[in-house]
Amino acid sequence: DADVTQTPRNRITKTGKRIMLECSQTKGHDRMYWYRQDPGLGLRLIYYSFDVKDINKGEISDGYSVSRQAQAKFSLSLESAIPNQTALYFCATSDFRADYGYTFGSGTRLTVV
Amino acid sequence: KNQVEQSPQSLIILEGKNCTLQCNYTVSPFSNLRWYKQDTGRGPVSLTIMTFSENTKSNGRYTATLDADTKQSSLHITASQLSDSASYICVVSAKFGEYGNKLVFGAGTILRVKS
Repeated sequence: DADVTQTPRNRITKTGKRIMLECSQTKGHDRMYWYRQDPGLGLRLIYYSFDVKDINKGEISDGYSVSRQAQAKFSLSLESAIPNQTALYFCATSDFRADYGYTFGSGTRLTVV
Repeated sequence: KNQVEQSPQSLIILEGKNCTLQCNYTVSPFSNLRWYKQDTGRGPVSLTIMTFSENTKSNGRYTATLDADTKQSSLHITASQLSDSASYICVVSAKFGEYGNKLVFGAGTILRVKS
């Protein structure tokens, strides 16, 4: 099994719908992150969490929300999806030092029509 | 502004040939520089991590260099294989308060190895 598992792998949704992307990890890491990848751009940080009670906005958090249900689970929600949220979304984890040991999931390809 | 720029955007080489990918950055305060390989449909996987004091690091056929004075890095791939076809992403880690670091990602270089 993968260390960081994202579900679903692919999703097509309509504008205005609420959608949740889920991430679970078996690394035992405290820190979890959600990134977005668009063609021709580097990954950009949406939200991050250093432990279950800690949630922080990244550089592009507008239109997104997150929930850290447990140390191993971190979900990303789009409350009302819009077409420019079409992108590849990655969950990642790291250990407390954060300088080493980043592990990425395989990604969720989201299309908003 | 913290930025990481990579060149070329894309590259096609013949199997068995060598290639070098470039990365320039303006990120501070600098913590470390990483190269990741991202296969199509997969998440990035770390190839090398270099701190300020390291100027060369190898991982099999991959060799990364770092010049912290000029803020440049390169990734050299030797004797390329078809499986090297992927996007190669340069990532610079900036110290971020007392909690660790913040990663700044380049857009990647798409490498295609042809037989």
